[in-house]
Amino acid sequence: QVQLVQSGAEVKKPGASVKVSCKASGYTFTTYAIHWVRQAPGQRLEWMGWISAGSGSTKYSQRFQDRVTFSRDTSATTAYMDLSSLRSDDTAVYYCAREEFGGAYPIDAWGQGTLVTVSS
Amino acid sequence: ESVLTQSPGTLSLSPGERATLSCRASQSISNNYLAWYQQKPGQAPRLLIFGAASRATGIPDRFSGSGSGTDFTLTISRLEPEDFAVYYCQHYGSSRGPIFGGGTKVEIK
Repeated sequence: QVQLVQSGAEVKKPGASVKVSCKASGYTFTTYAIHWVRQAPGQRLEWMGWISAGSGSTKYSQRFQDRVTFSRDTSATTAYMDLSSLRSDDTAVYYCAREEFGGAYPIDAWGQGTLVTVSS
Repeated sequence: ESVLTQSPGTLSLSPGERATLSCRASQSISNNYLAWYQQKPGQAPRLLIFGAASRATGIPDRFSGSGSGTDFTLTISRLEPEDFAVYYCQHYGSSRGPIFGGGTKVEIK
């Protein structure tokens, strides 16, 4: 079955960076895009951007484009999200999620989420 | 940029009752690229409905979606205990990336 398994919780200090991984299995990795979506405590889901697992092309939300980098390792079927210059308001659960690439499809599977806490 | 407004913010109902959730878009959504997700505490969202009215695989038929243009509705015909959760609508297929509504919490009355 389709699974997206994310790396564990992180605690970081302001100004640091965090890298979250998302290991995909149960489907052809390169035919999907991986989205990154975050959810601050009690807040709505916020889209950060996506990466095509096949080509590696990316699209970032304007809100994060200066601080976030997506990458992927096709041999490991794993996607990564790197967020720099962390602030306290970056404290959130970060989700990876997949969307079939090449058309207009909904996100149909999600990772379990990774809690990133930013605190001095 | 399109904004999705969900109402009500909280819906207090009893098991067996009907739930009607609304999602209104500030701009018309083409091709009905509107999805609904269910999220329970501590869990990731789960896709319920896509294309405004198509149920995702394995979703019970008590969940139904309707609407077009700027007004969309998720209906749960008879609430089961496991249906009490937060529901989000989402506009997908936009070049600007997916957009989520603020959510409606369905709680036990």
